[in-house]
Amino acid sequence: QVHLVESGGGLVKPGGSLRLSCAASGFTFSDYYMSWIRQAPGKGLEWVSYISNTGLTTYYADSVKGRFTISRDNAKNSLYLRMNSLRAEDTAVYYCASGQGYGDYAYWGQGTLITVSS
Amino acid sequence: SYVLTQPPSVSVAPGQTARITCGGNNIGSKSVHWYQQRPGQAPVLVVYDDSDRPSGIPERFSGSNSGNTATLTISRVEAGDEADYYCQVWDGSSDHVFGTGTKVTVL
Repeated sequence: QVHLVESGGGLVKPGGSLRLSCAASGFTFSDYYMSWIRQAPGKGLEWVSYISNTGLTTYYADSVKGRFTISRDNAKNSLYLRMNSLRAEDTAVYYCASGQGYGDYAYWGQGTLITVSS
Repeated sequence: SYVLTQPPSVSVAPGQTARITCGGNNIGSKSVHWYQQRPGQAPVLVVYDDSDRPSGIPERFSGSNSGNTATLTISRVEAGDEADYYCQVWDGSSDHVFGTGTKVTVL
């Protein structure tokens, strides 16, 4: 049974930092690329960041470039997102998702809510 | 940045067919994926690579892609199909794009 479990969400002040984690189980983590995808309240899905299965390649949405850093530890079956200089518009549910094909995401976590507010 | 446009809503009677479009410049040259998201739940992949179905997804869900439009078709619609649906493409590098989303209402 595949499981992706996000953690690390919560309330943070504008300008603050947060680190999200995603624990994977039930599949060979090191064979899958991973992404963080977010959804603001009442809004659609927005891709945030991607990391290849080896961790050697990363991409970021323009909206978070220079502020967020994605990483993974294949030995620990874990994905991370370091979020700095948080803004109100970063408020969203953050999902980790995994895939093996051409950009599709077969597995998703249940998400963790980040609220950026003073 | 690449843009994918979906109709905000589609309404369909039970047993009928729902078609959800996803418009993008020359989208026919890309692989399109579709997700279903029920309220309060994480998205679920229902079609990948234009027209393939993951295991466990009913054959009622099918996809096509040509020119500037990709389409998700839900045949014999059931009440449980009521959800938001998103198309998605990846250009192999930094462009991961989700469509604007379509709310499917079963009448």
